[in-house]
Amino acid sequence: DGGITQSPKYLFRKEGQNVTLSCEQNLNHDAMYWYRQDPGQGLRLIYYSQIVNDFQKGDIAEGYSVSREKKESFPLTVTSAQKNPTAFYLCASSLNPGTGTDTQYFGPGTRLTVL
Amino acid sequence: QKEVEQDPGPLSVPEGAIVSLNCTYSNSAFQYFMWYRQYSRKGPELLMYTYSSGNKEDGRFTAQVDKSSKYISLFIRDSQPSDSATYLCAIAKAGGYSTLTFGKGTMLLVSP
Repeated sequence: DGGITQSPKYLFRKEGQNVTLSCEQNLNHDAMYWYRQDPGQGLRLIYYSQIVNDFQKGDIAEGYSVSREKKESFPLTVTSAQKNPTAFYLCASSLNPGTGTDTQYFGPGTRLTVL
Repeated sequence: QKEVEQDPGPLSVPEGAIVSLNCTYSNSAFQYFMWYRQYSRKGPELLMYTYSSGNKEDGRFTAQVDKSSKYISLFIRDSQPSDSATYLCAIAKAGGYSTLTFGKGTMLLVSP
């Protein structure tokens, strides 16, 4: 059963803590992405990776970090430097980065709440 | 001017109505256009993809692109309560690597 999985579905964090969101795909896609979704804000790109061991900052990378050690995994760490981390986080992947025909497929999301 | 503009709605229609959802964009470098559907608290799912001006049909869904006006539309025929969701347009530039730029989404409510 191919697809993108994200865990956990819900995550609660105390202020000052770092938390890591998991994203795994078995689609054999080269590129992976992290977005943040807030009410009325749409999807905003945090980080993306076109290939293993390489990643680039998106529009709102401050307070976040990522790694891409394996093709199928792209974990996102929300650090204590992120001042307003409560949001819905979406992971996506795509097959052909570098082409305009590259379509992205999304995971089910993780809802992070800071207590 | 934002790169992609999309009315947030909500758009409320009765079951069976024809729905028109729209986005406008500002940069003619955008050449690839997608529509995603997102149910509440779920990840977006790809509905339609197109890159040329004109219409593309898939079942009850038709995507329309007018590059001269920088205007894209998604039409839903015979709308169903199960179509109630937020619809996101997404666009990408041609040439070289390009990430997607998303509209903020339009919430659609189809009442039985």
